[in-house]
Amino acid sequence: EAQVTQNPRYLITVTGKKLTVTCSQNMNHEYMSWYRQDPGLGLRQIYYSMNVEVTDKGDVPEGYKVSRKEKRNFPLILESPSPNQTSLYFCASSSRVSSSYEQYFGPGTRLTVT
Amino acid sequence: AQSVSQHNHHVILSEAASLELGCNYSYGGTVNLFWYVQYPGQHLQLLLKYFSGDPLVKGIKGFEAEFIKSKFSFNLRKPSVQWSDTAEYFCAVRDTGRRALTFGSGTRLQVQP
Repeated sequence: EAQVTQNPRYLITVTGKKLTVTCSQNMNHEYMSWYRQDPGLGLRQIYYSMNVEVTDKGDVPEGYKVSRKEKRNFPLILESPSPNQTSLYFCASSSRVSSSYEQYFGPGTRLTVT
Repeated sequence: AQSVSQHNHHVILSEAASLELGCNYSYGGTVNLFWYVQYPGQHLQLLLKYFSGDPLVKGIKGFEAEFIKSKFSFNLRKPSVQWSDTAEYFCAVRDTGRRALTFGSGTRLQVQP
């Protein structure tokens, strides 16, 4: 089954404790992206990657890092989480060769930073 | 920068009522337009999309949307809503020069039985 998976689905952590949220897709998509969803603000893009070893900032990249060492994986790293990073995070992927540019979303990771 | 406005933040309807959710975007060039739905506790799913051609597009579950270029709008419609349509709906726009989607803030639809 074609899908985007994220782990963990729920995470409660404390300020300053480094964490990684993993994202993996099995559709051989070149493009992957991270969004955060906050009430009243919709989804905002954090980082995206056009292909392996190619990443770029989205609209709200501060406090986040990403890496793209393999095509299927695109982890999101919070080196020193802060309470304002409490949010619902979605990973998405799409194919560059597809004309539809449809993005497929993962199930989301709800992060709480205390 | 591209922006997307969804003016209805929370809509409450009775079953069988008609639905129209507004979406306006700011970019004046060529765009691709999408509506996504997020059911409670679930991830986003694509409802429908517009790339070119007939400005009236039909999606899944009886939804449709009309692209009006002169108004920079892409409103979502459904003639008769069901309780199962209770969800949050997001309009998204991609200008053809970028890969990223710009999302609206979402509209929460609550359908009462």
